[in-house]
Formats: sequence, structure tokens, C-alpha cells
Amino acid sequence: KQEVTQIPAALSVPEGENLVLNCSFTDSAIYNLQWFRQDPGKGLTSLLLIQSSQREQTSGRLNASLDKSSGRSTLYIAASQPGDSATYLCAVTDAGNMLTFGGGTRLMVKP
Amino acid sequence: NAGVTQTPKFQVLKTGQSMTLQCAQDMNHNSMYWYRQDPGMGLRLIYYSASEGTTDKGEVPNGYNVSRLNKREFSLRLESAAPSQTSVYFCASSESLIASGNTIYFGEGSWLTVV
Repeated sequence: KQEVTQIPAALSVPEGENLVLNCSFTDSAIYNLQWFRQDPGKGLTSLLLIQSSQREQTSGRLNASLDKSSGRSTLYIAASQPGDSATYLCAVTDAGNMLTFGGGTRLMVKP
Repeated sequence: NAGVTQTPKFQVLKTGQSMTLQCAQDMNHNSMYWYRQDPGMGLRLIYYSASEGTTDKGEVPNGYNVSRLNKREFSLRLESAAPSQTSVYFCASSESLIASGNTIYFGEGSWLTVV
């Protein structure tokens, strides 16, 4: 059974710092990996999707990488802002078209 | 642009009561999903509908039933609510298979408490 782990569970940084969120998964037979953002009391918003054949994807200040063979992904956030404060979740898609989510990293960016 | 709309947003039930969570999407998506989110456990798939007329079990289907009423609507029913079903429920939709790289869109959630 696929298991997805995110470390750290919570992170607090001062505004302007570059930061890295980590995601690991146990079964490398995935179709893609996604990073989501969740604001308190809200649903999830997809940030980046990396297909299994890709190594990374970029959107603005966000860069996500994927190393399928080692079962790892990172989300890099450049020049963090208070508006980046949210919970970030990663999820992998398997052959059954099912998403398996990690527990999330709760990020606080302090002004 | 409404996207995925869920109702109700909050509900308190007594053990043994039944209720239906409603979900509708206006993006003409083929696939729809119901997830539950519990503290420290991420989201877990309850049921999904790959296309109109089909439904399949996810990771945690026990105690739930679903109906894909039409292409727009996908409802989740709790027949006899239990305290273990206290959770936040999310409906989601995608144009087609997520495995093909289609973006999944989530509703804002329904907070359910069973006492």
C-alpha cells in the first residue's frame, strides 16, 4: 500500500527566506505527483503537477522536483511571503487513478 | 465561476441519523470524487465516479453510499451516522483521469460532527 510522508509537519520562517518542503512515498510506481495548497477552512488548490517522466515543474516562485527512483519530491518556495502561509500537501497518483495524500506541512511565514 | 459547490457547509448529526452531502460542478468534468480529511491523516478517498453512470469504492467506503445523479452532481449519503464519521468531507472533480495529468478541483468542504 502506498504511503506518503511529509516532513516537517510544521514550519515557521521569517519573510523573505527560501524554503524547502519534503515529500516521500514508498511505491515508485506512480503516474504523477501533485503539490496542493490548503488555506484554513478551505478546500485544496493544485499548485504543481509533475508527470512521472518529468523531473521538475515551475510556477512563479514555486519549483517542485521529483526523483521517482528514490521516492522523493521537494517543493521549493523562493522569497517567502506572509501570503504563502498555508498547509501544503503532496499526493501521488497510482495506476488505479487514486490520489494518496501526505499529512501536510503547515507553513507560517512571519512578517 | 462557481467550480465545485458542496452543501451543507456545517452539519451536526446524532448517532444513527442519516444525511446526504450534495456536490455539483459546473466545469463539465467527467470524474468526481468524495474525500474525507481527518487530523494528521491527510485526505482519504471514499468513493469516486470516473464517468457518469459509474461509481467505485475508494480507500474508506464503509458506512457510505454515493449516487452520480447526472454529469454535474455526485452525492454522498451516510445511512446511519457514527461518531467515527466526524470529519471534513471534500468533493472534487477532474476533466478525466488524474493519472493522465488532469487537474483536480476541490470544493470548500463540509464539516460534519456526529454526536
